[in-house]
Amino acid sequence: AQSVTQPDIHITVSEGASLELRCNYSYGATPYLFWYVQSPGQGLQLLLKYFSGDTLVQGIKGFEAEFKRSQSSFNLRKPSVHWSDAAEYFCAVAPWAGGYQKVTFGTGTKLQVIP
Amino acid sequence: GAVVSQHPSRVICKSGTSVKIECRSLDFQATTMFWYRQFPKQSLMLMATSNEGSKATYEQGVEKDKFLINHASLTLSTLTVTSAHPEDSSFYICSATDQPGRTDTQYFGPGTRLTVL
Repeated sequence: AQSVTQPDIHITVSEGASLELRCNYSYGATPYLFWYVQSPGQGLQLLLKYFSGDTLVQGIKGFEAEFKRSQSSFNLRKPSVHWSDAAEYFCAVAPWAGGYQKVTFGTGTKLQVIP
Repeated sequence: GAVVSQHPSRVICKSGTSVKIECRSLDFQATTMFWYRQFPKQSLMLMATSNEGSKATYEQGVEKDKFLINHASLTLSTLTVTSAHPEDSSFYICSATDQPGRTDTQYFGPGTRLTVL
């Protein structure tokens, strides 16, 4: 069975600083990886997803993530954080089977942005 | 587009009562809906998957008689927590997709916080 670890429960960054949120997954075959963001009062929104191709994948809102198979990681990055990026971020993994498999979520990383 | 709403956003009930949570897709037809629960500091756990007009498929360990799911239309699914107890207190989240069974195209609702006294 697949699993996801987000080692950072809470991260604080200054507005304008760069951001990296860590995600490690465990899955023996080809993983299908996701990053979601949840703002207060809103549903989870998909930032980006990856299952093949270029290991650096671009998402919405200026986010990108890099798949590193050797490290079983799929870290999320943003070069310059905006105050509106304060939210909770979830990494998730599913077996790659055309998009029909159960998605396993991490426990989330709460991002605080300070002026 | 692709908005999913949930009602209510918060509910408090007494132990032993039943609570109904609605999940609606506002601008698309949700052929498949998913129900999750999330305990504090834990990840979302899939409870069940429902396809419109069919019985829901429950994950292992989820009591189908306790968590009744009805997906009677392409825009509405309901989760009824029957005879709720304090241990059922949690954050319940639904998601929906217009692509039958696809988990990579699900749109999430904002969640419902249930507190059972």
